[in-house]
Amino acid sequence: AQTVTQSQPEMSVQEAETVTLSCTYDTSENNYYLFWYKQPPSRQMILVIRQEAYKQQNATENRFSVNFQKAAKSFSLKISDSQLGDTAMYFCAFMNRGGSQGNLIFGKGTKLSVKP
Amino acid sequence: DAGITQSPRHKVTETGTPVTLRCHQTENHRYMYWYRQDPGHGLRLIHYSYGVKDTDKGEVSDGYSVSRSKTEDFLLTLESATSSQTSVYFCAISEAGGYTDTQYFGPGTRLTVL
Repeated sequence: AQTVTQSQPEMSVQEAETVTLSCTYDTSENNYYLFWYKQPPSRQMILVIRQEAYKQQNATENRFSVNFQKAAKSFSLKISDSQLGDTAMYFCAFMNRGGSQGNLIFGKGTKLSVKP
Repeated sequence: DAGITQSPRHKVTETGTPVTLRCHQTENHRYMYWYRQDPGHGLRLIHYSYGVKDTDKGEVSDGYSVSRSKTEDFLLTLESATSSQTSVYFCAISEAGGYTDTQYFGPGTRLTVL
């Protein structure tokens, strides 16, 4: 069974600085997706970034980028130029592409606080 | 934003009563999912649907049933609510299931069982 581990329950960063959130996963599959979702106080789950395991190039979306290390089964999220609106829970998630179910396996989340 | 709505958004009920949560989508996506979110657990899959009248169990399906009579609606029913089912419930949709697509989430329903 796949598992996703986020080892940092809480983190804080000063506005405009850079922060990295860690995620590791365990799987025997070779073809999968990895995601980062953001959940602000509004509770809405918002997709931040997606990475296909077969792609070596790290995904980037504006200020958000990932460091995908497939052999190490590591998938960290870097947020550059942090903004107050980045304050949220961040969830790392795994999806097996070969499975018929297609459900997401989530980590327990990292609470990020951006301080002015 | 994906067109997903959930109703009700908040509900307080008593132990032993039946509860139905509704997820409605306007995207005509094939796959729909119900997750629950609890502190310390992240989100966990309850049930999912891969088409009209086609559903299957997820990781935490005990005490829940689902139905999908139309593409746009996916209902989650707690036949006899218990306090352990107090949680935030999220519906999600995706176009192609586990093979290619991303899941997009509804706004969530906070359910309290007293």
